[in-house]
Amino acid sequence: NAGVMQNPRHLVRRRGQEARLRCSPMKGHSHVYWYRQLPEEGLKFMVYLQKENIIDESGMPKERFSAEFPKEGPSILRIQQVVRGDSAAYFCASSEGIFSGNTIYFGEGSWLTVV
Amino acid sequence: DAKTTQPPSMDCAEGRAANLPCNHSTISGNEYVYWYRQIHSQGPQYIIHGLKNNETNEMASLIITEDRKSSTLILPHATLRDTAVYYCIVRVAEYGNKLVFGAGTILRVKS
Repeated sequence: NAGVMQNPRHLVRRRGQEARLRCSPMKGHSHVYWYRQLPEEGLKFMVYLQKENIIDESGMPKERFSAEFPKEGPSILRIQQVVRGDSAAYFCASSEGIFSGNTIYFGEGSWLTVV
Repeated sequence: DAKTTQPPSMDCAEGRAANLPCNHSTISGNEYVYWYRQIHSQGPQYIIHGLKNNETNEMASLIITEDRKSSTLILPHATLRDTAVYYCIVRVAEYGNKLVFGAGTILRVKS
């Protein structure tokens, strides 16, 4: 049973370019979460999505960041016009449901470096 | 935002049990306690979770006090590969049941 799959694992972008990070949840999971971890810092929640819906985006920066989880295909975290401060590890997680007893599983992360 | 308190760091001798404490004095009756760990440069790894009863799986045991105000994660025979940051998290409905990570406990297993 494949886990949460993220790609690319490593991405280098120049300032001003766009970064697209993809996440395929575990089989049977329809809830996706994105977290960011800046260097030497903790994990911060960004956004929670169900298929075709953004449920909670309270942790998303107001500008340049967007996320989607279409009916078909992976969830996408998109960062437009990247800046050096966007360099971080981005983790995707998925769960079967939103109840407190539904376990959330994480992927191995996508490391974005902005040069 | 985290509803838990953990010691910042702990050491454990290889082969011995590692007991990681967590305080969650404001936990509500329907809120689960989850434990994750993050080994350097890897994604958070789910370890175990529980509501009221003690739980055990192939990785660890979770002991929850009767009043549910604290818990202990037990790694029965720690190895060097268990060196990681361990996060105790209470999933709360007011946060939409998402995981809110605190600083965690850095566990160093030493030979």
